Amino acid sequence: GENVEQHPSTLSVQEGDSAVIKCTYSDSASNYFPWYKQELGKRPQLIIDIRSNVGEKKDQRIAVTLNKTAKHFSLHITETQPEDSAVYFCAASRNFGNEKLTFGTGTRLTIIP
Amino acid sequence: SAVISQKPSRDICQRGTSLTIQCQVDSQVTMMFWYRQQPGQSLTLIATANQGSEATYESGFVIDKFPISRPNLTFSTLTVSNMSPEDSSIYLCSVRGGGGQPQHFGDGTRLSIL
Repeated sequence: GENVEQHPSTLSVQEGDSAVIKCTYSDSASNYFPWYKQELGKRPQLIIDIRSNVGEKKDQRIAVTLNKTAKHFSLHITETQPEDSAVYFCAASRNFGNEKLTFGTGTRLTIIP
Repeated sequence: SAVISQKPSRDICQRGTSLTIQCQVDSQVTMMFWYRQQPGQSLTLIATANQGSEATYESGFVIDKFPISRPNLTFSTLTVSNMSPEDSSIYLCSVRGGGGQPQHFGDGTRLSIL
């Protein structure tokens, strides 16, 4: 089955700087890659997703890049703000998300004011 | 996206008892899932709730311990049976609509076993 690895497990970034979280996946048939943000005590919330037919997707300060050959994808947050502090999870699935998601282990991002 | 209501939001239970968690969605959805999230950990899929048939369980999870129902396209229940302290966790309902819509989560049920 699919295996998703996520790095780093913790990340501290000065406010205003950029943060990058990286994930690798094992199943070459995976073609859908969402990212979820989970604030303390809250539910995971989808913040951005990408399908394998594109290499990059951007939404304001958040972007995701995908390298299908290397089987890795990354989340980029620019101009970080204190409200970006949370745990971020990457995930992967086949069939553009119509099959089950396999989650990474999570990255605890702390923005230092 | 669909509004997902999960209850109870939290509970404290005695060892050996069972608890049923409900998940109600405000619109029909294609897929419903149940996840477990232990403190500080990632999301682990327990099973996919299938409408009108038995749930599909992931490795390490069995129907006797986690019976699941899904009588229609908007409702599902997860029962945690014969609970032990190791079952203390957050249990999350997750849904996905049809047509390639993304997957969303309910607020979860925080379960503590004494």
